[in-house]
Amino acid sequence: AQSVSQHNHHVILSEAASLELGCNYSYGGTVNLFWYVQYPGQHLQLLLKYFSGDPLVKGIKGFEAEFIKSKFSFNLRKPSVQWSDTAEYFCAVTGTGFQKLVFGTGTRLLVSP
Amino acid sequence: DAGVIQSPRHEVTEMGQEVTLRCKPISGHNSLFWYRQTMMRGLELLIYFNNNVPIDDSGMPEDRFSAKMPNASFSTLKIQPSEPRDSAVYFCASSFSGRGLSRDYEQYFGPGTRLTVT
Repeated sequence: AQSVSQHNHHVILSEAASLELGCNYSYGGTVNLFWYVQYPGQHLQLLLKYFSGDPLVKGIKGFEAEFIKSKFSFNLRKPSVQWSDTAEYFCAVTGTGFQKLVFGTGTRLLVSP
Repeated sequence: DAGVIQSPRHEVTEMGQEVTLRCKPISGHNSLFWYRQTMMRGLELLIYFNNNVPIDDSGMPEDRFSAKMPNASFSTLKIQPSEPRDSAVYFCASSFSGRGLSRDYEQYFGPGTRLTVT
């Protein structure tokens, strides 16, 4: 069965610090990978996704993620965070032919001004 | 497109009452998902439909929960009878799958229904 691990449950950073959130998945086949963000009191929104091609994916608001197939990882990065990035971040995976997404448990990011 | 529409946005009810949550997916999408989010358990997939047919309901907590999708533009999640532990935010999401395109499988979430059972 597919599963997703997000090892950082809570991250606290100061503004302008660099961010890297870990995501590892388990699935042996071809995968589609996603990062969603949930701002306080809001619904999940797509940050970026990997489907195929360049393993370095750029998303909205300066976020990027790198798919490393050999490590089964899809870590999210941002070189300089802002207070407005305070949110919960979810990594998700689906395999070709599967309709449902398997979500990680989420990482709560708090950026202090 | 208006996106995924959910109603009501907030629901407060007493234990034992029936609760019905509604969802209208994005037009043209053929997959619909119901999630529950709580502080304790995080985001849980309850059930999902493909082409109006329930595919996987293994996440439905118990028989008190039921979901239907009578047509491509409407789905309901019903809890009868409701209990305080059902208090959560319930999200509906939709996607289109089956074409092998990069935009497939990307789920679009509705604003959620915040349910409080007292």
